[in-house]
Amino acid sequence: NAGVTQTPKFQVLKTGQSMTLQCAQDMNHEYMSWYRQDPGMGLRLIHYSVGAGITDQGEVPNGYNVSRSTTEDFPLRLLSAAPSQTSVYFCASSPQTGTIHGYTFGSGTRLTVV
Amino acid sequence: ILNVEQSPQSLHVQEGDSTNFTCSFPSSNFYALHWYRWETAKSPEALFVMTLNGDEKKKGRISATLNTKEGYSYLYIKGSQPEDSATYLCARNTGNQFYFGTGTSLTVIP
Repeated sequence: NAGVTQTPKFQVLKTGQSMTLQCAQDMNHEYMSWYRQDPGMGLRLIHYSVGAGITDQGEVPNGYNVSRSTTEDFPLRLLSAAPSQTSVYFCASSPQTGTIHGYTFGSGTRLTVV
Repeated sequence: ILNVEQSPQSLHVQEGDSTNFTCSFPSSNFYALHWYRWETAKSPEALFVMTLNGDEKKKGRISATLNTKEGYSYLYIKGSQPEDSATYLCARNTGNQFYFGTGTSLTVIP
């Protein structure tokens, strides 16, 4: 049981490049989400999904796309990277919304955009 | 955005000292309050989830209390050890989304 797996752990992009951050969970969790963590700002929600085929925007969605074709996978796409997207990205999952279950977090992806 | 605030932002204590910090949140539409422990270079790990006013949870030397009417939760660490050094995050669960505080960074000095 691997939990939540994020890849890559580190990435450096040039401004304007695109890339996909991968997130996979093997716990059959319905709810998956992406957060970014910036100094002094805490964890901010980018996008989330309550189940396969369903996604929605969080607090800071601009510049990012997501899809949820399977229960297990929830990739985050950066369309045209900008220096403002330099951050640490965390994927998190939970059995479902509307419950008291907390998150299981991935190990994070440190992204630098130059 | 429903703000969750944590204080203090950072804290240095001597090994063996007991300490506590605060999480404040809007008391309306309360569903659950979560505490996480976040060590450097790792991902946040769940400590407690609390739902009822007056809830108290304990895990070893760490405990937490909840007041949903006034909108705050306290985390206590008794007899701090260097391995307790981490950032402690609280998050308000509205049933649909989590709103995280910015955390309290604890450093325990040997």
